[in-house]
Amino acid sequence: DTAVSQTPKYLVTQMGNDKSIKCEQNLGHDTMYWYKQDSKKFLKIMFSYNNKELIINETVPNRFSPKSPDKAHLNLHINSLELGDSAVYFCASSQDLTISEQYFGPGTRLTVT
Amino acid sequence: LAKTTQPISMDSYEGQEVNITCSHNNIATNDYITWYQQFPSQGPRFIIQGYKTKVTNEVASLFIPADRKSSTLSLPRVSLSDTAVYYCLVVGMDSSYKLIFGSGTRLLVRP
Repeated sequence: DTAVSQTPKYLVTQMGNDKSIKCEQNLGHDTMYWYKQDSKKFLKIMFSYNNKELIINETVPNRFSPKSPDKAHLNLHINSLELGDSAVYFCASSQDLTISEQYFGPGTRLTVT
Repeated sequence: LAKTTQPISMDSYEGQEVNITCSHNNIATNDYITWYQQFPSQGPRFIIQGYKTKVTNEVASLFIPADRKSSTLSLPRVSLSDTAVYYCLVVGMDSSYKLIFGSGTRLLVRP
């Protein structure tokens, strides 16, 4: 069983569209994250949720809206997509906020044309 | 959070021991050192974490000198499948969840 899963794996869309990426973890963890890895391979944290509560929002445009319906899910909705949003988006989870061992999903490669 | 500096890339051959050094001159008392590994087209994977001296697990060893201003990740007898990017992170005990990744070290293992 995959510990942290994301769908879709690939997403190609046009500028101005709205899209969502879904993430689920079956590890029973309390904390989930979204990261963005750009073309230069820098991995940056975007959001962190703990028990469905937003903990980190790292200067991300408000076009990005995370939603956590329950502890096991953290979805990322992106409005009005821009070319600069093209990147690989990783979801991750950890047992709780005190643990730096995070489990990452396989990533979603978003291409905005 | 302490900034880390590590080599951009390293080459090795199968069966060799690989040591990747990371410097973190501004590490704080409450910080500890964490290493992640990332294969192409995959998310990073936690390797090892330590505060001081030496930590060993089934994958790697982590050596941290007394001043803690640097650390060395040691991979024994690497194989081709160890080709990956290795990230050194300094993590604050009061912000364990906030990982800041640098550019990492690209390790290429040759046959």
